[in-house]
Amino acid sequence: EPEVTQTPSHQVTQMGQEVILRCVPISNHLYFYWYRQILGQKVEFLVSFYNNEISEKSEIFDDQFSVERPDGSNFTLKIRSTKLEDSAMYFCASSEVPGLGYFGPGTRLTVL
Amino acid sequence: QKEVEQNSGPLSVPEGAIASLNCTYSDRGSQSFFWYRQYSGKSPELIMSIYSNGDKEDGRFTAQLNKASQYVSLLIRDSQPSDSATYLCAVSALVFGTGTRLLVSP
Repeated sequence: EPEVTQTPSHQVTQMGQEVILRCVPISNHLYFYWYRQILGQKVEFLVSFYNNEISEKSEIFDDQFSVERPDGSNFTLKIRSTKLEDSAMYFCASSEVPGLGYFGPGTRLTVL
Repeated sequence: QKEVEQNSGPLSVPEGAIASLNCTYSDRGSQSFFWYRQYSGKSPELIMSIYSNGDKEDGRFTAQLNKASQYVSLLIRDSQPSDSATYLCAVSALVFGTGTRLLVSP
């Protein structure tokens, strides 16, 4: 069964460094999402992407964040200058129709 | 601010019983509703989607939607210990509840 994959599974970085989180969505899906989940808290929407552009973004998704679909398969989330409070699990999701999200396994980001 | 409210639980049920999980939402214009299951340390797994008022059944799971009351529920019949997890209610792709922890005892 096709699935969303994410790399790396765990990323440790120093405060102020840039990180890029990578996702390979399910191949025939058109809608892509990034979420984060701080330990013990709820899943928070960051951004959705459709037709090669951002369709929605949350207040969390400020100028420090960017997304790209550099080729036909990868979908990336870049955090330009990480802060301690960016430490969280970051989930990528994809769907054929809006909202029906199949989640990847996540990347645990630890900012020291 | 769009909100999704869930009782955090834990909701404890014996094996074989029906578990009933509830969710309310604030945005009256919401059109799509989803239930996810999340095991500890894992990513959310989609269980059900529902878009119209009424019931939608899939195996042991039934989702119920009442847009007038802004209420969504998930019933799990014949609950199994393997159903023990946190159940997340989501409205569209954008707003998730905090989840209800379900414990099914053998």
